[in-house]
Amino acid sequence: GIQVEQSPPDLILQEGANSTLRCNFSDSVNNLQWFHQNPWGQLINLFYIPSGTKQNGRLSATTVATERYSLLYISSSQTTDSGVYFCAVGHTGTASKLTFGTGTRLQVTL
Amino acid sequence: GAGVSQSPSNKVTEKGKDVELRCDPISGHTALYWYRQSLGQGLEFLIYFQGNSAPDKSGLPSDRFSAERTGGSVSTLTIQRTQQEDSAVYLCASSLVKATGELFFGEGSRLTVL
Repeated sequence: GIQVEQSPPDLILQEGANSTLRCNFSDSVNNLQWFHQNPWGQLINLFYIPSGTKQNGRLSATTVATERYSLLYISSSQTTDSGVYFCAVGHTGTASKLTFGTGTRLQVTL
Repeated sequence: GAGVSQSPSNKVTEKGKDVELRCDPISGHTALYWYRQSLGQGLEFLIYFQGNSAPDKSGLPSDRFSAERTGGSVSTLTIQRTQQEDSAVYLCASSLVKATGELFFGEGSRLTVL
């Protein structure tokens, strides 16, 4: 099946810093989503971005499907950004399920 | 409803017992998914329902696991003869568009098998 790798696995930032999270995937996809899992376990959908670039406040994401990667940018990080960020992809032909990466654990400190 | 609702939020059971976990998706969402997340791990796909189509059961780990979706809305995940390795958070998600829409997750049901 499709492989999804996220980097870095762990990241510690000071409040106000910027960061880039990366998601690499092993095959063509027709669905890519970024999620934030807060410290209480709730998963929040950040972006549905199978290709192109989107921005939502301090967050933005870019997917280059032809090169099989996606980037999530967090600017001016806040402590509430802490948690785990997951990339999930849907493989063309098995579009019924998303395969999740192992996540990037982000801790934002004061 | 306003969001995906799951119950119970916590379930502690003894090894060998059966458990049922319930998911009530967002009203109007035709696609429903079950995932499992073990402690500190990523999400593992279990099963997918879309409308009246046959469900994709390819992620169910054994025949002790089954799920149904009644009336295209509420879904129940049943685990028979629970084992300690079944301990995890079981997450339900729904989406509006068939297989390509944004997923919205419930808060999960934490299952602990003693």
